[in-house]
Amino acid sequence: QVQLQESGPGLVKPSETLSLTCTVSGGSISDYYWNWLRQPPGKGLEWIGHIYYSGSASYNPSLNSRVTLSVDTSKNQFSLKLTSVTDADTAVYYCGRLDIWGQGTMVTV
Amino acid sequence: DIQMTQSPSSLSASVGDRVTITCRASQGIRNDLGWYQQKPGKAPKRLIYATSSLQSGVPSRFSGSGSGTEFTLTISSLQPEDFATYYCLQHNSYPWTFGQGTKVEIK
Repeated sequence: QVQLQESGPGLVKPSETLSLTCTVSGGSISDYYWNWLRQPPGKGLEWIGHIYYSGSASYNPSLNSRVTLSVDTSKNQFSLKLTSVTDADTAVYYCGRLDIWGQGTMVTV
Repeated sequence: DIQMTQSPSSLSASVGDRVTITCRASQGIRNDLGWYQQKPGKAPKRLIYATSSLQSGVPSRFSGSGSGTEFTLTISSLQPEDFATYYCLQHNSYPWTFGQGTKVEIK
């Protein structure tokens, strides 16, 4: 059974870069699109983007080119970088596939 | 962007009730739609994929239907563990978009 675990700082200062990593266990990162979602406190879900194991990525334009996804197949990990963060980026961030998600990690700006 | 209009935003229901939640897409999305259940402090859990296919391990009281722009999630007989927030997600066109959510509360 595939499991996912987000990791990274829980507190980021305004204007700095938010960096999160998702580790995939129990299965290979190959042959899937790997996604990031976020959910501000008390609000709905937002799709941030996804990356294929080959490195091809798609992003939500609402993030104004601040987001970059990357993948490391040797470590079975993929990562999110969000630059120039503001209070509006405070949220729980989830990594996963359409059918399974990590437990989420709270990031406060 | 494709807008997903989900209704109602909240509802109160009793155990055993039949519950229906609707998502309307601003343009056709074929059957590229899933339904998710989220409980407080937990990750979303997929219930339905490809509009009407039941995710493995999900009780059969959950069902999905629809096509094109109008989609429905039905819970045939609401159980205590079903009180949660439900979201639809379209993955037909970028950016993928969620409905606003429907909070199902106990009457």
